[in-house]
Amino acid sequence: AQSVAQPEDQVNVAEGNPLTVKCTYSVSGNPYLFWYVQYPNRGLQFLLKYITGDNLVKGSYGFEAEFNKSQTSFHLKKPSALVSDSALYFCAVRDSNRDDKIIFGKGTRLHILP
Amino acid sequence: NAGVTQTPKFRVLKTGQSMTLLCAQDMNHEYMYWYRQDPGMGLRLIHYSVGEGTTAKGEVPDGYNVSRLKKQNFLLGLESAAPSQTSVYFCASSYGASSYNEQFFGPGTRLTVL
Repeated sequence: AQSVAQPEDQVNVAEGNPLTVKCTYSVSGNPYLFWYVQYPNRGLQFLLKYITGDNLVKGSYGFEAEFNKSQTSFHLKKPSALVSDSALYFCAVRDSNRDDKIIFGKGTRLHILP
Repeated sequence: NAGVTQTPKFRVLKTGQSMTLLCAQDMNHEYMYWYRQDPGMGLRLIHYSVGEGTTAKGEVPDGYNVSRLKKQNFLLGLESAAPSQTSVYFCASSYGASSYNEQFFGPGTRLTVL
């Protein structure tokens, strides 16, 4: 069965420091991995995805994520955090053997401290 | 383009009342989804549709029904609302049948059942 885990409910980072939001997954086929961001009282917005190819994926707002097949991880990163990055971040996975469903993690709340 | 829109934005129901949430998308997407978001639970899939006239159950379908009579609309119905259905409901859509297409989300409907 496919699953995704975000081990941290909350991450606090000082503005200007690098940030990492962790995600691990489990699928039977090949993983299609996504990161979404949710700002207060808004719907989710797509940030980036990994389908195949280069393990380092670049996305919106300066975010990037690294796919690590051996560790079954897809951590979200940014070299220098901004206060405006404070939001709820969701990792999601789709199994190439299951075309219909996407599984979301429980979310990680990112606080960037000024 | 308006993207994905949802009506209403807020609603308060009494236990046993019924209502319909409307989702509309103007991107000609094939797939549409209904999720509920509860604190600490992430997003859970209620029902989804892979095309006009088709619907399927997701992770938490009980107490909900859906219809997709037109490609651009996906309706979520609560026949007899219960306090456990208090939640924020999000509609999403995605292009085509490929597992690697990202989803586009509406702004959400906040439902309270008293």
